Amino acid sequence: GAVVSQHPSWVICKSGTSVKIECRSLDFQATTMFWYRQFPKQSLMLMATSNEGSKATYEQGVEKDKFLINHASLTLSTLTVTSAHPEDSSFYICSATPLSGEQFFGPGTRLTVL
Amino acid sequence: DAKTTQPPSMDCAEGRAANLPCNHSTISGNEYVYWYRQIHSQGPQYIIHGLKNNETNEMASLIITEDRKSSTLILPHATLRDTAVYYCIVRVANTNAGKSTFGDGTTLTVKP
Repeated sequence: GAVVSQHPSWVICKSGTSVKIECRSLDFQATTMFWYRQFPKQSLMLMATSNEGSKATYEQGVEKDKFLINHASLTLSTLTVTSAHPEDSSFYICSATPLSGEQFFGPGTRLTVL
Repeated sequence: DAKTTQPPSMDCAEGRAANLPCNHSTISGNEYVYWYRQIHSQGPQYIIHGLKNNETNEMASLIITEDRKSSTLILPHATLRDTAVYYCIVRVANTNAGKSTFGDGTTLTVKP
């Protein structure tokens, strides 16, 4: 199957700093990418839908000014957690979708905010 | 997207078949049934999907009822490495507009 990578795989930062997470589709072009967040012992929660060249669509309750999403190319989407706080500590997972409609998930990024 | 309900947990003996049920009574005609699994601290892994016919691949089989309101994922010979959370999702396929909404999934524990 197609490969989706995320970088970094884990990050520890101080409260108040911003963290950028990259999601790349390695062997296909992804017109749509999705960003999920997962807290311990919970399911994945969709945060936003990112379409190449246009603004992201955020799910209800997700602050668009705090979670900045950029999808500048067909193989890269970035999620920036601005002014991170301990409650933002979570497992962030992206998925990428080619035109065929299949959804391929990245390995996730573990964010810990001290 | 239609919602799904799954039992929260199941156990299975190693080497036996694991049958994981899923109810999706509000599924629309153009929605597919997808199954993913997530091993601890990893991203979800695609297993199989189908529309109305039963499907089989190297990992599992998918049985969808005739009315499409429920389905069963079958792992024919479960191994310890199959211990994971299994998610059943219904979504529009073959279009990049179909997002996956995850329920709570079933935690499958394969025991020796």
